[in-house]
Amino acid sequence: SQQGEEDPQALSIQEGENATMNCSYKTSINNLQWYRQNSGRGLVHLILIRSNEREKHSGRLRVTLDTSKKSSSLLITASRAADTASYFCATDAFFYNQGGKLIFGQGTELSVKP
Amino acid sequence: DAGVTQSPTHLIKTRGQHVTLRCSPISGHKSVSWYQQVLGQGPQFIFQYYEKEERGRGNFPDRFSARQFPNYSSELNVNALLLGDSALYLCASSFGNQPQHFGDGTRLSIL
Repeated sequence: SQQGEEDPQALSIQEGENATMNCSYKTSINNLQWYRQNSGRGLVHLILIRSNEREKHSGRLRVTLDTSKKSSSLLITASRAADTASYFCATDAFFYNQGGKLIFGQGTELSVKP
Repeated sequence: DAGVTQSPTHLIKTRGQHVTLRCSPISGHKSVSWYQQVLGQGPQFIFQYYEKEERGRGNFPDRFSARQFPNYSSELNVNALLLGDSALYLCASSFGNQPQHFGDGTRLSIL
């Protein structure tokens, strides 16, 4: 079963707008990661935030983590048509410190219209 | 450098058959994990192998098995295929606690 719940399930915006996706999880974590998946392809790692971090930036991406609420958000600023993809949050389960078991949410399908 | 490679890219099988999927990790990566992704859902963890030993197993029946070879490549085997096994099977490799790198997957269709 999936651990994460993502919200919204689908998001449609215009190019240049910001996109915010939220993720909730259930158990203790080492870290939380965000991945992107273009249709029919594998997952591409975007950003990792550790359990002792609250915010992290990478280019146009901003991730926040609230361990007290067991939630995270991914903000994509100034979106582009090329950002159209499915976005997944994944938690690195507490007992697997070799980074081998990721528990994924159900994903947010982002559509950016030119 | 080559990324994670998976073969075949697409596969069509009938119920009751078995299938073997293959994965070559990024050079230097000793950990390989397998995931099943049903259409419209996030990937679900099946197995993790590290240094040829199984380190983790997800909630999948015994029809699913895997192994890792001395060169760190890996195979996922599924016996007695069911319609519900139709999915994208993803392989990921990693080095230490670094993020996992995914291949493009094998699309398995069961008729």
